[in-house]
Amino acid sequence: NAGVMQNPRHLVRRRGQEARLRCSPMKGHSHVYWYRQLPEEGLKFMVYLQKENIIDESGMPKERFSAEFPKEGPSILRIQQVVRGDSAAYFCASSSRRGAKHVNEQFFGPGTRLTVL
Amino acid sequence: KNEVEQSPQNLTAQEGEFITINCSYSVGISALHWLQQHPGGGIVSLFMLSSGKKKHGRLIATINIQEKHSSLHITASHPRDSAVYICAVSIQGAQKLVFGQGTRLTINP
Repeated sequence: NAGVMQNPRHLVRRRGQEARLRCSPMKGHSHVYWYRQLPEEGLKFMVYLQKENIIDESGMPKERFSAEFPKEGPSILRIQQVVRGDSAAYFCASSSRRGAKHVNEQFFGPGTRLTVL
Repeated sequence: KNEVEQSPQNLTAQEGEFITINCSYSVGISALHWLQQHPGGGIVSLFMLSSGKKKHGRLIATINIQEKHSSLHITASHPRDSAVYICAVSIQGAQKLVFGQGTRLTINP
């Protein structure tokens, strides 16, 4: 969905460097989700955030990965000291929030393809 | 065993054929989603449903909550329908999605 912006679209890093992936949700959306798609594998949930809060980080690796969604600006997924196994497509999705009992439709960004050399 | 299973993994058909992709899940869900991932990698939400049937153009999605099964149908298939189709579920009590492995559909002219 063109409304969710991700940048960069392609990112190349050497082992040990840091990767920062940005996601700007659709206008009016205050909830952001990060998913990872490893080569030849399905999508996996990483983290769910709303402004200034991490709601669910059950899919985040315990080390090197962090995410934030500040009051102003895009959501950031940060990977420190990248390794070759971090090479993947990282997708961000956003949703509005209609209430705790509602399931919110998620709209996906185009993804960031991270390659670790 | 994955919580969401799709079949078939790969499907090749001729233009005009009726296509069915199946999805079974083993957990309690709030909703089921069908997504389309184009060869360029972008993901588009096709349907979100929690009961019954939805139709959009040549696409039809059905869900049977009791049997924990959903199907995505494409009528009068066209080469531009070639993509990976992904079934995903919203787990009860959570907003995150759990995905199937995807079905790679190729429609030949």
